Amino acid sequence: NAGVTQTPKFQVLKTGQSMTLQCAQDMNHEYMSWYRQDPGMGLRLIHYSVGAGITDQGEVPNGYNVSRSTTEDFPLRLLSAAPSQTSVYFCASSYGTSGVNEQFFGPGTRLTVL
Amino acid sequence: AQTVTQSQPEMSVQEAETVTLSCTYDTSENNYYLFWYKQPPSRQMILVIRQEAYKQQNATENRFSVNFQKAAKSFSLKISDSQLGDTAMYFCAFMNRNAGNMLTFGGGTRLMVKP
Repeated sequence: NAGVTQTPKFQVLKTGQSMTLQCAQDMNHEYMSWYRQDPGMGLRLIHYSVGAGITDQGEVPNGYNVSRSTTEDFPLRLLSAAPSQTSVYFCASSYGTSGVNEQFFGPGTRLTVL
Repeated sequence: AQTVTQSQPEMSVQEAETVTLSCTYDTSENNYYLFWYKQPPSRQMILVIRQEAYKQQNATENRFSVNFQKAAKSFSLKISDSQLGDTAMYFCAFMNRNAGNMLTFGGGTRLMVKP
């Protein structure tokens, strides 16, 4: 199993550009989520999904869109990048209400917005 | 909503000694788990230990153990026989089992193990 994979590992954007951060998992997990980590801080939840076709907002959703068309993939879209979105982004997945309740994290994407 | 507080931004310990990292949380939920994650410079999030809130017995994983005080909403991590490889950021996290297993993290404690 590859676990949780994220692409790209690094990205530099200019203000106003759009892009999609990719996340995939091969563990058949129901739940997936996106977090951002700013320097010297803990992770904060952006959006999460409890299954294909179902998404919900987390603590810091503004400026981001998500969709979940398959169990495996959960892309995060930045519609118009702003310098405040410079951060490290982590995707995570877990089983639902049954099974081992542990979030498995991807390696992260470091995003810089100029 | 829940909050997680780690009151020690930085700590240091001599190799082979014991160190305790503090964490307190606030919630009105009954169905939750608590975690400690380690984040080395590679920035990979590594699960250290997990505690189910309904279990009274404190979790242990080799050199790592927790002191879970549910009434006080306290969840500290004890690292015994500290090793140089334990140097990392440590995050306490609260998992809401009623909301997509989403995690709320504390601000982290930077631990330095000195030779």
